[in-house]
Amino acid sequence: KQEVTQIPAALSVPEGENLVLNCSFTDSAIYNLQWFRQDPGKGLTSLLLIQSSQREQTSGRLNASLDKSSGRSTLYIAASQPGDSATYLCAASGYSTLTFGKGTMLLVSP
Amino acid sequence: KAGVTQTPRYLIKTRGQQVTLSCSPISGHRSVSWYQQTPGQGLQFLFEYFSETQRNKGNFPGRFSGRQFSNSRSEMNVSTLELGDSALYLCASSLEQGLREKLFFGSGTQLSVL
Repeated sequence: KQEVTQIPAALSVPEGENLVLNCSFTDSAIYNLQWFRQDPGKGLTSLLLIQSSQREQTSGRLNASLDKSSGRSTLYIAASQPGDSATYLCAASGYSTLTFGKGTMLLVSP
Repeated sequence: KAGVTQTPRYLIKTRGQQVTLSCSPISGHRSVSWYQQTPGQGLQFLFEYFSETQRNKGNFPGRFSGRQFSNSRSEMNVSTLELGDSALYLCASSLEQGLREKLFFGSGTQLSVL
């Protein structure tokens, strides 16, 4: 059974800092790894999707990497802004299910 | 293009009742998946529908069921509600590959069971 863990559970940084969020998974037989953002009381917004054959994906200030052999993915956020404050979740797509981590709650203070 | 629409936004029910939630996917999307989010368990996959057929199913009891219509709209039903069913229920749509491609989520239905 796939298990996904996200560290840290919460993170508070001042505006402008670069930061890294971590995601680990126990079963390397995945189709892809997705990163989402969730604002309070809202649904999820897809940020980046990395196929199992890829090593990384970039979108603006966001960069996500995937290392299947070690069961790890990281989300790098450059030059953080207060608007980046949200909960970030990663999810591993397996053969017939999607398994989420419990998220990292990020607070970026002005 | 309109996003994924979930109705109702909030729902209050009592134990033993049943409830039906609705999800309208993005136009052209044929896959709809459902998720339960609670503070304790986080986000958990319920099931996925494609072309009116359940394609994948998570580890939830039979009280949780769903269906998909020919226009790709989907409904989720929970029978004999329990206090532990209180949660944010989210649906997501995608083009065809379901859980293997980019997912677009609705804002969810917040269900409270008293």
